[in-house]
Amino acid sequence: QKEVEQNSGPLSVPEGAIASLNCTYSDRVSQSFFWYRQYSGKSPELIMSIYSNGDKEDGRFTAQLNKASQYVSLLIRDSQPSDSATYLCAVNKGNNRLAFGKGNQVVVIP
Amino acid sequence: NAGVTQTPKFRILKIGQSMTLQCTQDMNHNYMYWYRQDPGMGLKLIYYSVGAGITDKGEVPNGYNVSRSTTEDFPLRLELAAPSQTSVYFCASSYGNRAGMGGYTFGSGTRLTVV
Repeated sequence: QKEVEQNSGPLSVPEGAIASLNCTYSDRVSQSFFWYRQYSGKSPELIMSIYSNGDKEDGRFTAQLNKASQYVSLLIRDSQPSDSATYLCAVNKGNNRLAFGKGNQVVVIP
Repeated sequence: NAGVTQTPKFRILKIGQSMTLQCTQDMNHNYMYWYRQDPGMGLKLIYYSVGAGITDKGEVPNGYNVSRSTTEDFPLRLELAAPSQTSVYFCASSYGNRAGMGGYTFGSGTRLTVV
């Protein structure tokens, strides 16, 4: 089982709709979780971090964590063309080492 | 505030050549990391360092070496380059292993091709 799995293929959403991304992780003791956005040809940038079960909202982004089910999700509300990017889920393995999923590409259609 | 600076941005190496990828940060972060990213894949940890003089292997260390003589610098050395090392390399830094921390600042990356 992979440490961090993001299985969904490219996600196309109309402008203004909600984009929903999911991520599962294998290490039950993981304590901190992150979503990074990566534009094509650019480096990843941190958009959300979450440490406790439940929801965390930041602007149009909401991260959801369920440690019992070992999944993390990211919702992007009112999707904009500028949200078109690859979103990487990351899990802290300890000693601040992050394990990354392979990413989900989001395409927002105007 | 420059953040994390990587050089060079692009490089083509011939099989068997060696090179050093440079990484420096000016945020006084004690933790630094090297990742590689292959097309359509997530990032794989090569090496990391929790402070000057301390380094440790990640999940894909073979063919690479690192050193950390100062807090600011964390160069990655490729010895005897192989086509399998063709990738994009990212250096990152963060504060230490404090509760609530963990978000990395990434450099802009080095795109390496081995031919």
